Amino acid sequence: QVQLQESGPGLVKASETLSLTCVVSGYSITTGYYWGWIRQPPGKGLEWIGGIFHSGTTYYSPSLKSRVTLSVDTSKNQFSLKLNSVTAADTAMYYCARANYYSSGIRRFDRWGQGTLVTVSS
Amino acid sequence: DIQMTQSPSSLSASVGDRVTITCQASQDIRKYLNWYQQKPGKAPKLLIYDASHLETGVPSKFSGSGSGTDFSFTISSLQPEDIATYYCQQYDNLITFGQGTRLEIK
Repeated sequence: QVQLQESGPGLVKASETLSLTCVVSGYSITTGYYWGWIRQPPGKGLEWIGGIFHSGTTYYSPSLKSRVTLSVDTSKNQFSLKLNSVTAADTAMYYCARANYYSSGIRRFDRWGQGTLVTVSS
Repeated sequence: DIQMTQSPSSLSASVGDRVTITCQASQDIRKYLNWYQQKPGKAPKLLIYDASHLETGVPSKFSGSGSGTDFSFTISSLQPEDIATYYCQQYDNLITFGQGTRLEIK
């Protein structure tokens, strides 16, 4: 069965770049899904960051688009998130997820990683 | 951007109660709406997709309805294991989540 596991530094300095990777096991990322990132600040709700197809096609949240880059490495069956110029407001649990899609984009997230907490320090 | 507004923000109910949460979209999203359950310290779990379709393996006590701008999510008989925060999510234009509804046992 498909499993997703986030990894990356738990602490990032303000103004620097947050980098996370999601390794997918039990399923090929080249088969029929988008792969996405969602974050959740402590005690708050869910915020969609973006999604990527194995071909490199991406969708980004308008509020984060200027600072986010998603990429995919099919040889390692993983995908990655980079968020630059971070501030304390970017402190959050970051989740990767598998995303069902349709002709106009991503539909729903049916498998999630356990999440990784990233704290931005000043 | 499409805004999603859930009501109530928190809800306290008794075991066995029928519980309903609503989600309102700022514009017509057809039936492009999903519902998730998030238990404390856990990742969200997809329960309902396309407004009313039960995800595989999800108990039938959960249900969803609606279209356009107004949607609802119902638990037919609340159990202690249903304590969680519930989120709606639209996908008519990119992705937006509602702010969540925290469900507690009275």
